[in-house]
Amino acid sequence: GAVVSQHPSRVICKSGTSVKIECRSLDFQATTMFWYRQFPKKSLMLMATSNEGSKATYEQGVEKDKFLINHASLTLSTLTVTSAHPEDSSFYICSARSSGPGDTQYFGPGTRLTVL
Amino acid sequence: QKEVEQDPGPLSVPEGAIVSLNCTYSNSAFQYFMWYRQYSRKGPELLMYTYSSGNKEDGRFTAQVDKSSKYISLFIRDSQPSDSATYLCAMSDSSGDKLTFGTGTRLAVRP
Repeated sequence: GAVVSQHPSRVICKSGTSVKIECRSLDFQATTMFWYRQFPKKSLMLMATSNEGSKATYEQGVEKDKFLINHASLTLSTLTVTSAHPEDSSFYICSARSSGPGDTQYFGPGTRLTVL
Repeated sequence: QKEVEQDPGPLSVPEGAIVSLNCTYSNSAFQYFMWYRQYSRKGPELLMYTYSSGNKEDGRFTAQVDKSSKYISLFIRDSQPSDSATYLCAMSDSSGDKLTFGTGTRLAVRP
């Protein structure tokens, strides 16, 4: 159980375009989903927390107008990188948690974004 | 000072060795402690999840938490080449929302 998927696994786009990444909890309902960013050989940095049906809460320094997060259902959250630039190239990973603080987060396999 | 300190390694051990991975932290509000394994270009996979001080064992893995010393450990017994990965410690406060990760320790188990 506790499987989280991400799509696409890899995307290459041109500078200035927008890219949408999907995160799905396959066998449980995720009341809360999280989006992380990971640079090569670095740890994960939390970008934002989203609860189903609510606006996402962004971490300090993360531009909410650039990284649009939608959590429209209990099994799906999307991250849209708008007007992508080469510095947005990174590994984006989502995680999902089923209910309260006592439940841990299960991570998706990640999406590698390359902006040319 | 970082909230969570973890030796980045790399750590290289022969197959069958006992591996000890450690993290220290400074935030006394941390209540939940996790160890994740991450293979290259993959998402982290949860290995161990603990709440209180003490030991927790699962197969070849043992997690240890010492809240008084703000120190957590992961032991891997009878290490296998398939254990070669980056091991990340993570912790959160009682809200369980924001996970704070260590930098990860790269482990290589030589056949």
